[in-house]
Amino acid sequence: EPEVTQTPSHQVTQMGQEVILRCVPISNHLYFYWYRQILGQKVEFLVSFYNNEISEKSEIFDDQFSVERPDGSNFTLKIRSTKLEDSAMYFCASYDLNTEAFFGQGTRLTVV
Amino acid sequence: RKEVEQDPGPFNVPEGATVAFNCTYSNSASQSFFWYRQDCRKEPKLLMSVYSSGNEDGRFTAQLNRASQYISLLIRDSKLSDSATYLCVVNPDSNYQLIWGAGTKLIIKP
Repeated sequence: EPEVTQTPSHQVTQMGQEVILRCVPISNHLYFYWYRQILGQKVEFLVSFYNNEISEKSEIFDDQFSVERPDGSNFTLKIRSTKLEDSAMYFCASYDLNTEAFFGQGTRLTVV
Repeated sequence: RKEVEQDPGPFNVPEGATVAFNCTYSNSASQSFFWYRQDCRKEPKLLMSVYSSGNEDGRFTAQLNRASQYISLLIRDSKLSDSATYLCVVNPDSNYQLIWGAGTKLIIKP
């Protein structure tokens, strides 16, 4: 079964540092997403990406966040200067028309 | 405001019982609906899509009521392994910016 893979599974970083979360979506999918889930809270939409550009983003996705698809396979989320409140589980998802969204196993980001 | 609401639970249910959850959504133009299951500290996994005519997959039945703007999930003959958080998810438009409910926690007791 095809799967979305995310690395690393757990990242610990100091406040103010930059982090890059990586995702390899399913190869023939066209739509890519980042979601986050703060421990004990609901899953929140961050950003969607289609045709090599952001198609939609939420209020959470401020100037500290950016996404890239640098090489046609990886899909990255960068947080420029992490804050304590960025600690969360970050999920990457991909889908194509007529399929459901497939989620990666997530990256647990801990900002200390 | 886009919103999906669920009873957070927990629902404590004996093994073998039938349990049902509802989820309400505020955007009447929403296009597609899903139930996802999430185990503790794991990624959400699709349980089933919800169609207008209702659909069944083994012990699980999902229904959509567009007039009242809610979807439901029924689990029959519950198993210990059904213990999880069940997330109601709504796709409000074609951009597939999924809107998530906060989830309903289900605990099946032996």
